[in-house]
Amino acid sequence: SQQGEEDPQALSIQEGENATMNCSYKTSINNLQWYRQNSGRGLVHLILIRSNEREKHSGRLRVTLDTSKKSSSLLITASRAADTASYFCATTWNAGNMLTFGGGTRLMVKP
Amino acid sequence: DSGVTQTPKHLITATGQRVTLRCSPRSGDLSVYWYQQSLDQGLQFLIQYYNGEERAKGNILERFSAQQFPDLHSELNLSSLELGDSALYFCASSVDGTAYEQYFGPGTRLTVT
Repeated sequence: SQQGEEDPQALSIQEGENATMNCSYKTSINNLQWYRQNSGRGLVHLILIRSNEREKHSGRLRVTLDTSKKSSSLLITASRAADTASYFCATTWNAGNMLTFGGGTRLMVKP
Repeated sequence: DSGVTQTPKHLITATGQRVTLRCSPRSGDLSVYWYQQSLDQGLQFLIQYYNGEERAKGNILERFSAQQFPDLHSELNLSSLELGDSALYFCASSVDGTAYEQYFGPGTRLTVT
């Protein structure tokens, strides 16, 4: 079974609005990463947050991590049509080597 | 473009057959990971190789095997194929054996009929 669950499964917003996606996981982690996947294509790494960090920024992306609640959120500010994609959280835990992915959030940004 | 290449892009084959998927990692990356993405199972880690040796194993069926060659390219072999093996198979690479920031290839879409 997957380590992470994402919420919502699908999100539709207008260009310029902010998009927030949430991820919950089950076990202790080393770090949590977010990836983007355009329809049927490979995944692109967006941002990594370590287990001892609470918040991280990269351009229009803001990621938070709450290890007490075993959850993370990804905020995309001022969204663009080009942000339309599926977004996955992925964790690494004890084994350290493999990524365990959540189910993903399908984001649609309407122009 | 991540720098990871996968061939073929698409593969259609019949049940019971065997196929080989190929992956070339980014230049300088020593570690290769294989993932399967299907509608019912989502994205699942299959297996990792580091500098030619198996490093970690995930939900990989016994009918599946992989290897990494001295030039660091990797092959995933799928045998006795079943309808349920239809999926996107991704290869990813990273500089070393940790999972920090993996670079994904475009994937091979396998359809078993």
